[in-house]
Amino acid sequence: QVQLVQSGAEVKKPGASVKVSCKASGYTFSTYAIHWVRQAPGQRLEWMGWINAGNGDTKYSQKFQGRVTITSDTSATTAYMELSSLRSEDTAVYFCARSQPVVIQYFDYWGQGTLVTVSS
Amino acid sequence: QSALTQPASVSGSPGQSITISCTGTSSDVGSYNLVSWYQEYPGKAPKLMIYEASKRPSGVSNRFSGSRSGNTASLTISGLQAEDEADYYCCSYAGSSTVIFGGGTKLTVL
Repeated sequence: QVQLVQSGAEVKKPGASVKVSCKASGYTFSTYAIHWVRQAPGQRLEWMGWINAGNGDTKYSQKFQGRVTITSDTSATTAYMELSSLRSEDTAVYFCARSQPVVIQYFDYWGQGTLVTVSS
Repeated sequence: QSALTQPASVSGSPGQSITISCTGTSSDVGSYNLVSWYQEYPGKAPKLMIYEASKRPSGVSNRFSGSRSGNTASLTISGLQAEDEADYYCCSYAGSSTVIFGGGTKLTVL
């Protein structure tokens, strides 16, 4: 069965960076895309960007452009999201989700979420 | 890019039907039939309920249905059950390999 398993909770200081991983299993990793979506406490879902796991192409939301980097390791069937220059407003649960590799139709499987807390 | 507009909350009694709207623009909902809906319980990951505006994934109850007209998509839940109480989010393809989510709607089953 398809599974996306994310790394554990992180606590970071303002200005630092965080890297969250998303380990995929149960399907051919390179034939889908992985997206990152975050949700601040009590707030809405917010799309951050995605990577085509087959060719490594990426696309980022304008809001996070320059601060977020999404990568993948096909041999490890794992995607990564690194967010830099953290501030308190980045405190949120970060989800990875799977979609089709070309046109983003929908997110059919999600990771369990990783809480990132930014606090001095 | 602002969020798609959803009502903050809706409510209904068991057995009733409710509809949640999702209003976008001609650049997203109005241009693509690629609208999806997600159900989210507190502390859990979102679950896909509707894709391509009106299609239901395998395993999702047929009490859930979706539609799209112009710049607005809608999610209808018929025969409300207590277990439907959750947050619901719409999501639309917005061109240039980007997507946008709605603001979310809290459904209360009275």
